[in-house]
Amino acid sequence: EAQVTQNPRYLITVTGKKLTVTCSQNMNHEYMSWYRQDPGLGLRQIYYSMNVEVTDKGDVPEGYKVSRKEKRNFPLILESPSPNQTSLYFCASSLSGLGRETQYFGPGTRLLVL
Amino acid sequence: QKEVEQNSGPLSVPEGAIASLNCTYSDRGSQSFFWYRQYSGKSPELIMSIYSNGDKEDGRFTAQLNKASQYVSLLIRDSQPSDSATYLCAVKRGADGLTFGKGTHLIIQP
Repeated sequence: EAQVTQNPRYLITVTGKKLTVTCSQNMNHEYMSWYRQDPGLGLRQIYYSMNVEVTDKGDVPEGYKVSRKEKRNFPLILESPSPNQTSLYFCASSLSGLGRETQYFGPGTRLLVL
Repeated sequence: QKEVEQNSGPLSVPEGAIASLNCTYSDRGSQSFFWYRQYSGKSPELIMSIYSNGDKEDGRFTAQLNKASQYVSLLIRDSQPSDSATYLCAVKRGADGLTFGKGTHLIIQP
């Protein structure tokens, strides 16, 4: 089954403790992206990747890192999480990231930073 | 700064009626337009995409695009309680990421 998976689905952590949220897709997509969703602010793009070793900032990249060493994986790294990073995070992928493509979303990761 | 505006609602519509959802966008260079449906706590799911001016129909859903007015809409005919969700408008320009509106909360009243 074609899908985007994320782990963990739920995470409670404390300020400053490094964490990684994994994202994997099995559709051989070149484009992958991370979004965060907050009440009243909607979905905002954090980082995206057009291909292996190619990443770029989205609208809200501060406090986040990403890497793209393999085509299927696009982990999101919070090196020193803070309470304002408490959010619902979605990973998404599409074939090339260009124009008229459907973006497929993962199930989401709900993060609480205390 | 690219912006996508939607009325947050809630928009309440009787079962069987037509639900009309609207969206405006600021970037005239936007080329692709999408409507996603999102149930509470779930991931967005693509409902419709539209790229050219005019109407596009898919089952009970019709997307309408007017690039001159920078306006996109979604009509849901014969609304069902299962259509109750938040509807997200998203626009895209070339290789840029999707820019989402904040969503319209739709309630279908049985």
